[in-house]
Amino acid sequence: EAQVTQNPRYLITVTGKKLTVTCSQNMNHEYMSWYRQDPGLGLRQIYYSMNVEVTDKGDVPEGYKVSRKEKRNFPLILESPSPNQTSLYFCASSDRGSDEQYFGPGTRLTVT
Amino acid sequence: LAKTTQPISMDSYEGQEVNITCSHNNIATNDYITWYQQFPSQGPRFIIQGYKTKVTNEVASLFIPADRKSSTLSLPRVSLSDTAVYYCLGGYPWSQGGKLIFGQGTELSVKP
Repeated sequence: EAQVTQNPRYLITVTGKKLTVTCSQNMNHEYMSWYRQDPGLGLRQIYYSMNVEVTDKGDVPEGYKVSRKEKRNFPLILESPSPNQTSLYFCASSDRGSDEQYFGPGTRLTVT
Repeated sequence: LAKTTQPISMDSYEGQEVNITCSHNNIATNDYITWYQQFPSQGPRFIIQGYKTKVTNEVASLFIPADRKSSTLSLPRVSLSDTAVYYCLGGYPWSQGGKLIFGQGTELSVKP
């Protein structure tokens, strides 16, 4: 089944404790992206990647890092999480030239 | 980058037709308009895209006037299961160089 998976789905952590949210797609898509969703703010892009080893900042990249060493994986790294990074995070992927993005199920992160 | 403006929320009743309008004044000449639907506790999913005039699929219709400064998503005879947040997006990853702006979305509530 074609899908985008994210792990973990739920995470509660404390300020300053490094964490990684994994994202993996099995559709051989070149484009991948991370978004965060907050009440009243909709979806905001954090980072995106057009291909392996190619990443760039979206609208809200501060406090986040990403890497794209393999085509299928695009992990989101929070080196020192803070409470304002408490949010619902979505990973998405898209095939070359396609207008459609496929989204993962989301990761709900709480930073205390 | 095309920024979009939509109503924050809309209410409807089962069986009615719902029209959600999105404003995208600065959309690029070669950009398509895409719409996504997000159910509670799920990631967004692509539902329709268009360039101009009218596009229809099994889920919705999309009307785009000649000046392309706005678009209207039309949901015929809505049911309770159409309760969701709807996002319009000017462009897609491969037309925008990867960077995308989703905006706040329209929260549609369908009542019995």
